[in-house]
Amino acid sequence: EAQVTQNPRYLITVTGKKLTVTCSQNMNHEYMSWYRQDPGLGLRQIYYSMNVEVTDKGDVPEGYKVSRKEKRNFPLILESPSPNQTSLYFCASSLRLKVGEQYFGPGTRLTVT
Amino acid sequence: AQSVTQLDSQVPVFEEAPVELRCNYSSSVSVYLFWYVQYPNQGLQLLLKYLSGSTLVESINGFEAEFNKSQTSFHLRKPSVHISDTAEYFCAVSMTTDSWGKLQFGAGTQVVVTP
Repeated sequence: EAQVTQNPRYLITVTGKKLTVTCSQNMNHEYMSWYRQDPGLGLRQIYYSMNVEVTDKGDVPEGYKVSRKEKRNFPLILESPSPNQTSLYFCASSLRLKVGEQYFGPGTRLTVT
Repeated sequence: AQSVTQLDSQVPVFEEAPVELRCNYSSSVSVYLFWYVQYPNQGLQLLLKYLSGSTLVESINGFEAEFNKSQTSFHLRKPSVHISDTAEYFCAVSMTTDSWGKLQFGAGTQVVVTP
């Protein structure tokens, strides 16, 4: 089954404790992206990657890091989480030439206290 | 740069009644247009898309959207909703010339269908 998986689905952590949210897709997609969803703001892009070792900032990259060492994986790293990063995070993937047609993971709800 | 405005943050509707979700966009270049749906506690799914050709596009579950270039709109409609249509709906645009893209989302419209 074609899918995007994220782990963990739920995470409660404390300010400053480094964490990683994993994302993996099994569709051989070149493009992968991370979004955060906040009430009234829709989805805002954090980082995206057009292919292995190619990443770029989205609209709200501050406080986040990503890496793309393998085509299928695109982890999101919060080196020093803060309460304003409490949000619902989605990973998505697509073919490089069909960025409008993205497949989304189930989401990771992160709470930073 | 492009932007997307969804004019209603929440739309309550009775089962079997029609619904319209409004979406307007602004862009200095031509765009592709999309509607995504997010059911409770799930990720987003592509509902329908406009790339070119007929300005009226349909989904498999009865939704349709019409691209209106002069009004820069892409409103979503369904003539008769079901309880299962309760979800949040997102309008999105990407530039046709930007294959390296970026998909710009609206703020979303929450549809609540009641019996």
